[in-house]
Amino acid sequence: QQQVKQSPQSLIVQKGGISIINCAYENTAFDYFPWYQQFPGKGPALLIAIRPDVSEKKEGRFTISFNKSAKQFSLHIMDSQPGDSATYFCAASGTSYDKVIFGPGTSLSVIP
Amino acid sequence: EAGVAQSPRYKIIEKRQSVAFWCNPISGHATLYWYQQILGQGPKLLIQFQNNGVVDDSQLPKDRFSAERLKGVDSTLKIQPAKLEDSAVYLCASSWTSASYEQYFGPGTRLTVT
Repeated sequence: QQQVKQSPQSLIVQKGGISIINCAYENTAFDYFPWYQQFPGKGPALLIAIRPDVSEKKEGRFTISFNKSAKQFSLHIMDSQPGDSATYFCAASGTSYDKVIFGPGTSLSVIP
Repeated sequence: EAGVAQSPRYKIIEKRQSVAFWCNPISGHATLYWYQQILGQGPKLLIQFQNNGVVDDSQLPKDRFSAERLKGVDSTLKIQPAKLEDSAVYLCASSWTSASYEQYFGPGTRLTVT
C-alpha cells in the first residue's frame, strides 16, 4: 500500500513532442505528490509538486495532472527538448513527517 | 548557496569489507536523509535525522548498516561487512525541517561491491 507505480519504464520522444509519464498510488493518506528529475551522475532535483486539492498545476513546459478518485497523477512535458533527457521519478508523501516514497523512474530520451 | 556535499563519489570494495560515506548538508538544514538507489530503481530511504536524532530508520539493515550525525551537521553512513547486493548509489539529502517537503539531494556515492 506504500508503493507508487510508474509507467512507462522508458520513453523516447521527438524534439518538440509531448512526453507523458503516469503514476498511480494506493495509500489515500498521501497528500503531497512531487516529481523529481535526475541527470546521470547527479542527485534527483525537485521539478514540480502537487497536492490532491488541485487537479492540475503548470510550471513552464511542465504540467502535473491529478485524478484523486482514480488515485493517479501524470507529468506532461510540452515541447520536449533534448535537454529534458533524464530520469523522472514520481513520488508521494503523507503527513509532514512521513517518508517520501519514490516510483521506479522513467528514463526519457528526447531525440532531435 | 552551496549544495549537499558527498564523498567519495565512487568506491569499489570487496565483499565483507567495510566502507564509509560522508555527507555535509546545506547550511541550516535540520533534517538529513540517507537513501539507497539501486540501478533502475527509485531512491529508498534508509535513515532520517532531525538535528542529531534519528526520526526514521525502519528500512536500515541494522545488522550491517550504521549512521550517525554528530553535532547535528555532517553525517556518516557505514556498511560493515558489505555484501554484493549493497552495490548502489547512496544519496544524501537535506531539508530545512522534517515538515519541509522539498529535499535537496547531493550527487551520491556510487558503491560497487565485488
